[in-house]
Amino acid sequence: GNSVTQMEGPVTLSEEAFLTINCTYTATGYPSLFWYVQYPGEGLQLLLKATKADDKGSNKGFEATYRKETTSFHLEKGSVQVSDSAVYFCALSRNSGGSNYKLTFGKGTLLTVNP
Amino acid sequence: DTGVSQDPRHKITKRGQNVTFRCDPISEHNRLYWYRQTLGQGPEFLTYFQNEAQLEKSRLLSDRFSAERPKGSFSTLEIQRTEQGDSAMYLCASSYPGQGQDEQYFGPGTRLTVT
Repeated sequence: GNSVTQMEGPVTLSEEAFLTINCTYTATGYPSLFWYVQYPGEGLQLLLKATKADDKGSNKGFEATYRKETTSFHLEKGSVQVSDSAVYFCALSRNSGGSNYKLTFGKGTLLTVNP
Repeated sequence: DTGVSQDPRHKITKRGQNVTFRCDPISEHNRLYWYRQTLGQGPEFLTYFQNEAQLEKSRLLSDRFSAERPKGSFSTLEIQRTEQGDSAMYLCASSYPGQGQDEQYFGPGTRLTVT
């Protein structure tokens, strides 16, 4: 079945540091890949997505590239801010022929950015 | 667009009681998903509706769980004879047909505590 593995947290960085959160996946066919973010006390928000190999998703300074050869979708940001402190989830969806795009999530990575 | 709403936000119940949660999706979204998230884990798929039809149920959804979506608008998730293992965050998400149909918008969740 489908699965997502992301790096264990927590990750603690200083403001303006470079961020990488690793994510690898297992799936048949060609899934869509996502990063969701959950800020304290809030619901999950879609951060970015990519739907095919070599696509790069980007939003709010975050980027991730769909690498089919390494089955990876690592999240990066060049300079993190305190406001980026949140839990980040890597996820995939694959439509197996119907209309159901159910998501399979990783366990999440807690990021704390200190001033 | 007021986003996906869920009610209640928190529910504390005693073991053996029945509970019901409600989800109101974004108005033009015809697809609705329920997920369950336990502490330190990513959300796990429970069930999927397209309009009023329940098209897929996870093996996680035991016979004590039932979900409905009458008239294809709001949805309810009922848990009968609650057990301590049911304690979790229950998340609802919706999506619209057409371009971006794999993008799900999440509500804030209902946190269930079974004592």
